[in-house]
Parts: sequence; C-alpha cells; structure tokens
Amino acid sequence: QTVVTQETSFSVSPGGTVTLTCGLSSGSVSTSYYPSWYQQTPGQAPRTLIYSTNTRSSGVPDRFSGSILGNKAALTITGAQADDESDYYCVLYMGSGTVVFGGGTKLTVL
Amino acid sequence: EVQLVQSGAEVKKPGESLRISCKGSGYKFTNYWIGWVRQMPGKGLEWMGIIYPDDSDSRYSPSFQGQVTISADKSISTAYLQWSGLKASDTAMYYCAKWREEGSYYYGMDVWGQGTTVTVSS
Repeated sequence: QTVVTQETSFSVSPGGTVTLTCGLSSGSVSTSYYPSWYQQTPGQAPRTLIYSTNTRSSGVPDRFSGSILGNKAALTITGAQADDESDYYCVLYMGSGTVVFGGGTKLTVL
Repeated sequence: EVQLVQSGAEVKKPGESLRISCKGSGYKFTNYWIGWVRQMPGKGLEWMGIIYPDDSDSRYSPSFQGQVTISADKSISTAYLQWSGLKASDTAMYYCAKWREEGSYYYGMDVWGQGTTVTVSS
C-alpha cells in the first residue's frame, strides 16, 4: 500500500512562515490526488483547512495556503500565530473512492 | 447549519459487538458520501471507509476491509460503524466526516463529527 509521507515535526517562530509537505513513498503528488489538509489540536476533532490542492475551506484565514511544490503537496502558513500550534494532516485521493492520510506533522510555534 | 452528531462513549469487553452512529443534519444526507476515521491513543488519523447513503455504495481502506462494517439508514439520516467482535486494539476515538461535494468523493471532508471514544478492555 502506498504510504503518504509528512514531516514528523516542525517548528516556526511567531510571525514566521513555514511550509509543510505531503509526499508519496513512490511517485509524485499532483493535483489529480486532490490533496487536502486538516488541522487538529489536542482533544478536538479535525478542522478542514484546504481542499483540492489550494482552495481554502470556509472561514480559514488566508495565511493558510496550499500548493504543489516539486513532487509534493504543500501547506504554507504565513505569519504563524500561537494558536497555529497543532497537528496537521494531509489526505490524498488514491482512486476508486479511497483516500489515505499522511502520518501528520506536529507544528510548534515558539 | 450542517452538523454531524455522534453517539456517546462506549466501554466494551473483547469479543463483544458494537455499533456507533453519526447523525447528519442541515444538508441532503442521501447525496453526500460520509465516512469514518480512526485515531488510536496518541496516534494519527486513519481513513477507514465511506458510504453513499442513497444507495449504500461503500468503499473501505484495505486495512479495515473485513474488520468493520459501514452502513447508513437514509430514513433517519444516520451512518453507522459496526464491529462484530471487538479487540483491545480497537480502542480509539472514531470520527465521522462528511465529504464536501454532492455525489463526489474527490474533494475530501468538510464537516466532522465530535468523535466517539471506544474503549475495549476486559
């Protein structure tokens, strides 16, 4: 089974910019994988940030943006804030109605 | 307002059966795929499978195929996740989530339930 890869952890300074990535154990991520991104803080249900590579979900601040960078999907946070400290998960569409979550990235803002 | 409301926490013994639920409101339940996601304690999110309530077409992750059953009762706008023989390793938080686009499973999830904790212990 294809593995979706994410950085285990990342840190960013308040006000800084960070790019989290989402790749494949074999092959390149393209828009055909319809990458989406989710934020989860401890004890809470996930929140949808980005879908279809780069479309922000309703109510998501524009400091969150999605893209394809090289052979990976990417989530960029510009002007990081303290409450952006969360776990971030990408999801890729794998065909026949199935999707796979990446392992998640724990983002620290300090 | 679109909402998914899940059933309450469960404590079960190994080998017991269980069905948890997820009731949708504020949208046309039959026309959107709805799925389940597992989160084991301290671990990441895992996609289990989805169902299209209108015709009960379902898709499963290979990791969960044959281990659980996803069903839906469109008459009461409710999706279910069911086990016939629980194991301690089924201890986890389970989230339901609605897929974004009507009739499509391409664009990911947009609305999430609050989660149901399942604890399996002898």
